[in-house]
Amino acid sequence: DAGVTQSPTHLIKTRGQHVTLRCSPISGHKSVSWYQQVLGQGPQFIFQYYEKEERGRGNFPDRFSARQFPNYSSELNVNALLLGDSALYLCASSRQDTPNSPLHFGNGTRLTVT
Amino acid sequence: AQKVTQAQTEISVVEKEDVTLDCVYETRDTTYYLFWYKQPPSGELVFLIRRNSFDEQNEISGRYSWNFQKSTSSFNFTITASQVVDSAVYFCALSGQETSGSRLTFGEGTQLTVNP
Repeated sequence: DAGVTQSPTHLIKTRGQHVTLRCSPISGHKSVSWYQQVLGQGPQFIFQYYEKEERGRGNFPDRFSARQFPNYSSELNVNALLLGDSALYLCASSRQDTPNSPLHFGNGTRLTVT
Repeated sequence: AQKVTQAQTEISVVEKEDVTLDCVYETRDTTYYLFWYKQPPSGELVFLIRRNSFDEQNEISGRYSWNFQKSTSSFNFTITASQVVDSAVYFCALSGQETSGSRLTFGEGTQLTVNP
C-alpha cells in the first residue's frame, strides 16, 4: 500500500503570495493532520481533520486554513505568506482519531518564502 | 499543558557504541501515550514505538529498547551497537485527552550522528 503522499515536494514563494499544499492519506485512514516543522525544531501541530470535520487547530494565525475532501485527501492553504512561514510542512494520517493512533507521516513539502 | 523535553540537542558516537536518548514529559492526563519517531535526512517521520501510560514494561525490539518510568516522567530510548544507518533526528512525542484525538506534542528532537 502507498504511504502518505504530499505534493509538491518543494515550493518557493514570495512574501504576500498564497500557497496550497496537498496530501493523500494511506488508504483506509480517515484522519489527516498537518504539522509545521521549522528547521532545527520539532513539528508543531496546525490542524487535524477526521471524517471531513475539523477536530483540532493549533496556535496558528487565521492565514492558515485547511479542509478534507470526501476521499479523505486534504489541502492546507496559507495566505499572505511571511518569511517565517518557511518550513517543512508535514501531513500525517491515521485510521482513527484517538490518542493511541500512531500517525504515519509523508515526506513533507519544503516551503521557502523569499 | 502538555510538554516534551529532549535535553540532548546533538549526540555523536562511534559505530557499535550504545547510546541513550532522553525524553521527559509533562501532562495532566491520567491516560496518555508516548511515541518515538525517527526522521532521516529525507524528512519523513518514521514511527518507532508507542507506549501507553498504564503499561510500564520496558520493551526491546532488536537493537532498540525503551525504558518508561512514570515516577520520573521519562521515556528513554537506547540503541545498542549503533550503526551508521541509525544517524537521524529522533523525536519523542506525547498524546492524550488533554489535547484530544491523535494530536501529538513533539519534543525538539535529538540529532544522532553515528560515525564509522
